[in-house]
Amino acid sequence: EADIYQTPRYLVIGTGKKITLECSQTMGHDKMYWYQQDPGMELHLIHYSYGVNSTEKGDLSSESTVSRIRTEHFPLTLESARPSHTSQYLCASSELGDHLEKLFFGSGTQLSVL
Amino acid sequence: KQEVTQIPAALSVPEGENLVLNCSFTDSAIYNLQWFRQDPGKGLTSLLLIQSSQREQTSGRLNASLDKSSGRSTLYIAASQPGDSATYLCAVSYRVNYGGSQGNLIFGKGTKLSVKP
Repeated sequence: EADIYQTPRYLVIGTGKKITLECSQTMGHDKMYWYQQDPGMELHLIHYSYGVNSTEKGDLSSESTVSRIRTEHFPLTLESARPSHTSQYLCASSELGDHLEKLFFGSGTQLSVL
Repeated sequence: KQEVTQIPAALSVPEGENLVLNCSFTDSAIYNLQWFRQDPGKGLTSLLLIQSSQREQTSGRLNASLDKSSGRSTLYIAASQPGDSATYLCAVSYRVNYGGSQGNLIFGKGTKLSVKP
C-alpha cells in the first residue's frame, strides 16, 4: 500500500478563491508530480519536482503553482480559481532513479469551481 | 506530439473470460512502459512496469508484453473476476525530451473494463 496522501478529497468553491491542494508522502521519495485529469481523458502532467527547492512545469500549461520546501510535501496552489480549473488533480511520487521506478499515486482531489 | 493509444475504449465480458487490452505508442525510444488500474473517483495503482530491455512482466493473473519495434504493449488478464472491473491505463516514459519532461510518463485514455458475474 502506497503512503501518499492528498487532501481535501473533494472541494467545491466559488470563483476567485485562493486554494491549496495538499500532497504528502512518507516513502522518502525524491521525485513528485501533479497530474490533471478530466473525465474520460488522459492524465496530463502539470508540475513535477526532483527534490527540495526543485519545481518544473509539465506538458500541460497550468495557472497553478507548486512548492517543494520539504521532501515529503508538494502542495499545489491556485491564486484565483475559475470554473475552467474544475478537474481531478492527482499527486504522485517515485524514487529518483534510472527511469525504472514505479509511480505511486494519491487518491486525488476532485475540484469543482462554481 | 507523442501519443499513447488504447483500444478498446470500453470492454464488457462475463466472469471467467481471458481478455487482452491493447496499447500502442508512437515512438520506440522508451525508458519503460507501465500499466495502471484506476477505480472510479480514485487514484492509480501501478500493476506492472516493463523496462525497455524486457519483453514481458507477470504478476498473478496479469501478464504484460512489450514490442518496442511495433510500438505495442498488451495486458493479458486471465480468468477475469468482477473485482477486475476498473479502468486500465497504459503509460510510456520516453527517452527524448518532449515538452521539457524527459522521462516523465505520457498516458493513454484507458480501457474501461466491466466484468459481469
